[in-house]
Amino acid sequence: DSGVTQTPKHLITATGQRVTLRCSPRSGDLSVYWYQQSLDQGLQFLIQYYNGEERAKGNILERFSAQQFPDLHSELNLSSLELGDSALYFCASSVVGRTNEKLFFGSGTQLSVL
Amino acid sequence: ELKVEQNPLFLSMQEGKNYTIYCNYSTTSDRLYWYRQDPGKSLESLFVLLSNGAVKQEGRLMASLDTKARLSTLHITAAVHDLSATYFCAVDPNGYALNFGKGTSLLVTP
Repeated sequence: DSGVTQTPKHLITATGQRVTLRCSPRSGDLSVYWYQQSLDQGLQFLIQYYNGEERAKGNILERFSAQQFPDLHSELNLSSLELGDSALYFCASSVVGRTNEKLFFGSGTQLSVL
Repeated sequence: ELKVEQNPLFLSMQEGKNYTIYCNYSTTSDRLYWYRQDPGKSLESLFVLLSNGAVKQEGRLMASLDTKARLSTLHITAAVHDLSATYFCAVDPNGYALNFGKGTSLLVTP
């Protein structure tokens, strides 16, 4: 158990809908990362937050947004969902948000858009 | 565009054999990371290589980094079934986000 908690584990929804994925980092970790894993694109970095502030942005679509709250949990919001958004979404956390430290990954949220 | 290429993408090997997985990347980076993912599971950090010439070993796995050649290797010694998993390498050219390779799916058979 990495100590990173993601909910829900599975999510099935329809095209055009909006969903929210939640992540609680390990105790003491200030940084949260979101990754998308799909068969065709592999693991893609979406966005990183550190202590409530956005720090880095990757291949995140405009339909997607995220935030990190004062209690350090993070939410990833996906809207106007398309079939191609079906993927496994991972959250990871680290202490200070530099990649020379180990990242701890949650178990992921499997999103299926039908 | 940063490219992280792993070779091979699929590997089936017999127990007891040795093999090497290669990871090439296209941009300057002093750091490289190896992660393991079991089927249906999350990613687990294996090695964090922070400088040229770094070598780290854990059990039957040994990772090395040559930043001049932009190459990292993950060597498997005397493979056992428990090593069956997908192995990812990743680099972080900007120090903030990991860019992963496609992964190498390893199957160790009796």
